[in-house]
Amino acid sequence: DAKTTQPTSMDCAEGRAANLPCNHSTISGNEYVYWYRQIHSQGPQYIIHGLKNNETNEMASLIITEDRKSSTLILPHATLRDTAVYYCIVRAHNAGNMLTFGGGTRLMVKP
Amino acid sequence: ETGVTQSPTHLIKTRGQQVTLRCSSQSGHNTVSWYQQALGQGPQFIFQYYREEENGRGNFPPRFSGLQFPNYSSELNVNALELDDSALYLCASSPSLARNTGELFFGEGSRLTVL
Repeated sequence: DAKTTQPTSMDCAEGRAANLPCNHSTISGNEYVYWYRQIHSQGPQYIIHGLKNNETNEMASLIITEDRKSSTLILPHATLRDTAVYYCIVRAHNAGNMLTFGGGTRLMVKP
Repeated sequence: ETGVTQSPTHLIKTRGQQVTLRCSSQSGHNTVSWYQQALGQGPQFIFQYYREEENGRGNFPPRFSGLQFPNYSSELNVNALELDDSALYLCASSPSLARNTGELFFGEGSRLTVL
């Protein structure tokens, strides 16, 4: 799996949009971009994934650049409960349950 | 729908001992994987099981072994414990491997401390 680069930490004001960037310049054509988050003392939680089109679900939006070398996870209205470590992962579609986690971005949502 | 459950939640062992951790996968999920998460780091893939057989392994020595049972529950066994084995051990399940979309459902983990 390709490596990803994320900022170590970010702050966001409650109620504002949180934009979490991720670089994956060596991504292959058959690799998807996944985002998971891990709230303190819990297991990781799936957020969203995409191949090349932008995706949106009830939790977040995923914006992938046209060259697919970077992406941004957007939490449109961050709440205190969104404070967590966010992991950006690239994964081939047939990789089964193997996810390669990096260090992630520690997002702190502040009142 | 029952989520992924793991036991025990916490345990303490001494160096050289053996440990068994247990995981019940989410209802309808037949693929289970195990991850090790050291303090301050992201989870690291240990191995996955599909239809009771190991179906992929990360960079972990043979003293890390596992089982999957007909009801898809799973065990992680670690022999000859070392201090560096202290970590949070996470179990994740997903639907059939053939339809796997990369959306894994994780349990809350078992925190192992080796003294």
